[in-house]
Amino acid sequence: KNQVEQSPQSLIILEGKNCTLQCNYTVSPFSNLRWYKQDTGRGPVSLTIMTFSENTKSNGRYTATLDADTKQSSLHITASQLSDSASYICVVSASKAAGNKLTFGGGTRVLVKP
Amino acid sequence: DAMVIQNPRYQVTQFGKPVTLSCSQTLNHNVMYWYQQKSSQAPKLLFHYYDKDFNNEADTPDNFQSRRPNTSFCFLDIRSPGLGDAAMYLCATVTVGRGRIAEAFFGQGTRLTVV
Repeated sequence: KNQVEQSPQSLIILEGKNCTLQCNYTVSPFSNLRWYKQDTGRGPVSLTIMTFSENTKSNGRYTATLDADTKQSSLHITASQLSDSASYICVVSASKAAGNKLTFGGGTRVLVKP
Repeated sequence: DAMVIQNPRYQVTQFGKPVTLSCSQTLNHNVMYWYQQKSSQAPKLLFHYYDKDFNNEADTPDNFQSRRPNTSFCFLDIRSPGLGDAAMYLCATVTVGRGRIAEAFFGQGTRLTVV
């Protein structure tokens, strides 16, 4: 069964500090992995998308890594800001042959405190 | 400009009264998804359209139906909403083509309340 597991479930950090979120997946056949930011009551917004051949991708203060061999990804937030408070969702897409299905992780809820 | 638009943003309906949520896209994407997201949970796929082909998830209740009259619009119909159907409903679109990365775009969601 395709699964995406994220850790930790929630995280509290002080403004200006860094943090790293983890994502492990068993989706096969793998097509790509995405990280989304979801503010409360709003739809997810894409941060990064990576295929199996990409090890790292950055979007401003967000840097995602991917190890397709171990099926692990991380999202690193640098110099956190209050506006980074949100849920961060790891989503893995199966290949076209498997219907391009998106499998969602449970998300990590990040709270940035001043 | 918003590329995936869901209407309404908030919907209150009575128990058992049919309700329709809409999603429109300006991206000309060939795949559209409907997800149900309950509080503090990951979105759960209800069904998706690949062009006109409808694909229902095995555990999607019969109470949920969908229509896609054209590429731009997709509707979620809940025939007899129950209290357990109160949730955020998310629409997403993906374009799939040879050699292309399928980026998914989400709407802002419709929050459904059942009273």
